[in-house]
Amino acid sequence: GAVVSQHPSRVICKSGTSVKIECRSLDFQATTMFWYRQFPKKSLMLMATSNEGSKATYEQGVEKDKFLINHASLTLSTLTVTSAHPEDSSFYICSARSGRGGNEQFFGPGTRLTVL
Amino acid sequence: QKEVEQDPGPLSVPEGAIVSLNCTYSNSAFQYFMWYRQYSRKGPELLMYTYSSGNKEDGRFTAQVDKSSKYISLFIRDSQPSDSATYLCAVLAGGTSYGKLTFGQGTILTVHP
Repeated sequence: GAVVSQHPSRVICKSGTSVKIECRSLDFQATTMFWYRQFPKKSLMLMATSNEGSKATYEQGVEKDKFLINHASLTLSTLTVTSAHPEDSSFYICSARSGRGGNEQFFGPGTRLTVL
Repeated sequence: QKEVEQDPGPLSVPEGAIVSLNCTYSNSAFQYFMWYRQYSRKGPELLMYTYSSGNKEDGRFTAQVDKSSKYISLFIRDSQPSDSATYLCAVLAGGTSYGKLTFGQGTILTVHP
């Protein structure tokens, strides 16, 4: 159990376009999902916390108008990178926290975004 | 001072060795402790989760927590080449932290045949 999927696994886009990444909890309901960014050989950097049915909470320095997060259901959160630029190229990973009061977080496989 | 310190390595050991990975943390508010394994270009995989001082064992993996010293460890017995990955410790504060994990820098482990 505790499987989190992400789609797409890899995306290449032109500068100026918007890209949507989906994060799904497959076998549990996730009241809270998290979006991270990871640079090569670096640890994970939390971008935002997403709670079902409410606005996401962004970490300091993360532009909420650039990284739009929607958590429309207990099993789906989306991250949209708007007007992407080459500096947005990165590995984006989501995680989901079980809604049953557990503290474990389960991560998706990640999405590699390359902006040309 | 970072909230969680982890030696980034890299750490290289022969197959069959016992591996010791360690993290220290500075805030006594951290109450929950996790170890993740991350293979290259993949998402982190939860290996161990614990919330009390002492040892927790799962197969070849043992997580150890010493809250008095603010020190957490992961031991891997009979290490295998397939254990080669980056290992991340993560801590979580209790109460209204909303589940925000704080990660260590990650330790790159290579187990060579």
